Amino acid sequence: QQQVKQSPQSLIVQKGGISIINCAYENTAFDYFPWYQQFPGKGPALLIAIRPDVSEKKEGRFTISFNKSAKQFSLHIMDSQPGDSATYFCAANSNAGNNRKLIWGLGTSLAVNP
Amino acid sequence: DSGVTQTPKHLITATGQRVTLRCSPRSGDLSVYWYQQSLDQGLQFLIQYYNGEERAKGNILERFSAQQFPDLHSELNLSSLELGDSALYFCASSVGYLGQGAETQYFGPGTRLLVL
Repeated sequence: QQQVKQSPQSLIVQKGGISIINCAYENTAFDYFPWYQQFPGKGPALLIAIRPDVSEKKEGRFTISFNKSAKQFSLHIMDSQPGDSATYFCAANSNAGNNRKLIWGLGTSLAVNP
Repeated sequence: DSGVTQTPKHLITATGQRVTLRCSPRSGDLSVYWYQQSLDQGLQFLIQYYNGEERAKGNILERFSAQQFPDLHSELNLSSLELGDSALYFCASSVGYLGQGAETQYFGPGTRLLVL
């Protein structure tokens, strides 16, 4: 059972364009929503994260939009660059059985064409 | 550099064999997580340890086992290897297992396992 559904599976964007990756969740107990970025041959690394008490968080060219009522959140990459080409994972975090648990989306492979 | 180290970087072995993957967490982190990443399967959580004790179990096969030692490094043992076990294996660490200290996981560079 996939508790965090991520789309699209892959995305091709032209340099300078906007990349948008969407995630949806079901469990209202989730209280922390991170995005991880993974370059080929490397481990994932935290990119940006949001808590459900805010609707948007921006860090440079990266923005998370959060819609609590719809149980959806998305990553927007403005002015996408070839160096942004990577796999992006959304995740959701909650206390589950007295232990923080991170539930992962399946990932989106982003290619930014020069 | 996340501060998490994993060895070896690459491993080639044959079906039926047993291998051990090693992970050292970031300094100060007490939680260690193991993940398997295959091409079409995303990140599959295998198991979590905190300060030497198992905290959570994911989709870990019975042929796989792990442990965390008193110095906090962890080992993932994979036995009776099958072709389908070929994957990237990541170790991650976090400060704790509850609260904000457990929200961010820091990943190592991974071990690429190829079973022939």
